[in-house]
Amino acid sequence: KQEVTQIPAALSVPEGENLVLNCSFTDSAIYNLQWFRQDPGKGLTSLLLIQSSQREQTSGRLNASLDKSSGRSTLYIAASQPGDSATYLCAAINQAGTALIFGKGTTLSVSS
Amino acid sequence: NAGVMQNPRHLVRRRGQEARLRCSPMKGHSHVYWYRQLPEEGLKFMVYLQKENIIDESGMPKERFSAEFPKEGPSILRIQQVVRGDSAAYFCASSPDRHEQYFGPGTRLTVT
Repeated sequence: KQEVTQIPAALSVPEGENLVLNCSFTDSAIYNLQWFRQDPGKGLTSLLLIQSSQREQTSGRLNASLDKSSGRSTLYIAASQPGDSATYLCAAINQAGTALIFGKGTTLSVSS
Repeated sequence: NAGVMQNPRHLVRRRGQEARLRCSPMKGHSHVYWYRQLPEEGLKFMVYLQKENIIDESGMPKERFSAEFPKEGPSILRIQQVVRGDSAAYFCASSPDRHEQYFGPGTRLTVT
């Protein structure tokens, strides 16, 4: 059974700092891995999708990597801004492509 | 292209009533997923549907919950005889190809 874990659960940094969010999964036979952002009381915004054949994806100040052999993914945020404050969720798509298995998220606070 | 639409955004029901949650996928998307986010818990997969078919309902409670995605119209998640433990945020996602999932804003159900 696939389990997804995210550490840390919460992170506070000053504006401008580069940071890394970690995600680990137990079953390396994942299909894809997706990173989301969730603002309080809101829905989920897809940030990056890494397909199982890929090692990383980049969008603006965000870079996500995937290492299936070690069961890990990282989300790197460069030059953090207060507007980046949100909860970041990692989710692995099972082989059947039928369900996303979510971690509990990392709540990021960036102070100005 | 409008995003995934869910209505209502907020729903209040008394114990024992029925709750109907609607989800209109993005144009061209034939795959619909429902997830539930309980207070202080992560997002949990409930059910995956394609037009007129339930593909994976492994996350659905065995009683009182049902889902459909008719040939015409939105997908419906139906909860009969609601109890306080059903209070949660219910999210719908859609996908064109079972890869990247796009989420709606959610329906926040409160059972009094």
